[in-house]
Amino acid sequence: DAGITQSPRYKITETGRQVTLMCHQTWSHSYMFWYRQDLGHGLRLIYYSAAADITDKGEVPDGYVVSRSKTENFPLTLESATRSQTSVYFCASSDSGGSGNEQFFGPGTRLTVL
Amino acid sequence: GQNIDQPTEMTATEGAIVQINCTYQTSGFNGLFWYQQHAGEAPTFLSYNVLDGLEEKGRFSSFLSRSKGYSYLLLKELQMKDSASYLCAVEGYSTLTFGKGTMLLVSP
Repeated sequence: DAGITQSPRYKITETGRQVTLMCHQTWSHSYMFWYRQDLGHGLRLIYYSAAADITDKGEVPDGYVVSRSKTENFPLTLESATRSQTSVYFCASSDSGGSGNEQFFGPGTRLTVL
Repeated sequence: GQNIDQPTEMTATEGAIVQINCTYQTSGFNGLFWYQQHAGEAPTFLSYNVLDGLEEKGRFSSFLSRSKGYSYLLLKELQMKDSASYLCAVEGYSTLTFGKGTMLLVSP
């Protein structure tokens, strides 16, 4: 299907476990982003990528790892999950980082860390 | 850094007009986005302002004053389906910084 997809949509894990959230887009967009959304904080940028093999930290990168070996995929890994990482995670993509380029969001992954 | 302020909640009546304000203090500014987010769904694009002034798009309009660090989203002829969160986002070099969002409740 065309667009931007995330998997899984829901995930429950335990403290200390490694978790990988997947993001896939079919538009060949250069830029991809990972956000977390929490009550009282809004959307906060975790990591972003300008192209394959180029990634950069956002506002809240601690505890997360990303990679981008292919343009269409941008997985986010929690190496050792903590309860504070319970959140809704959104992936987004845009055609470029230039002025006015709309970001398109995936449907989100709701992660619960017990 | 970025500091973006929006009201937390607003209520309005079906058919009315509502204005959602957003003020910002930022170290870099290229433009300002407004997104709509229904409960349990992803944010979707509403508008983008880069120059001062009003941008109109159907029932929705967005205004920007770069000198005052101020924007607003104007929603006319409110409908029940407009009940959602409205997110103001400042565009920096390659990324967006979002405000905490304004939850709008439209009542009959």
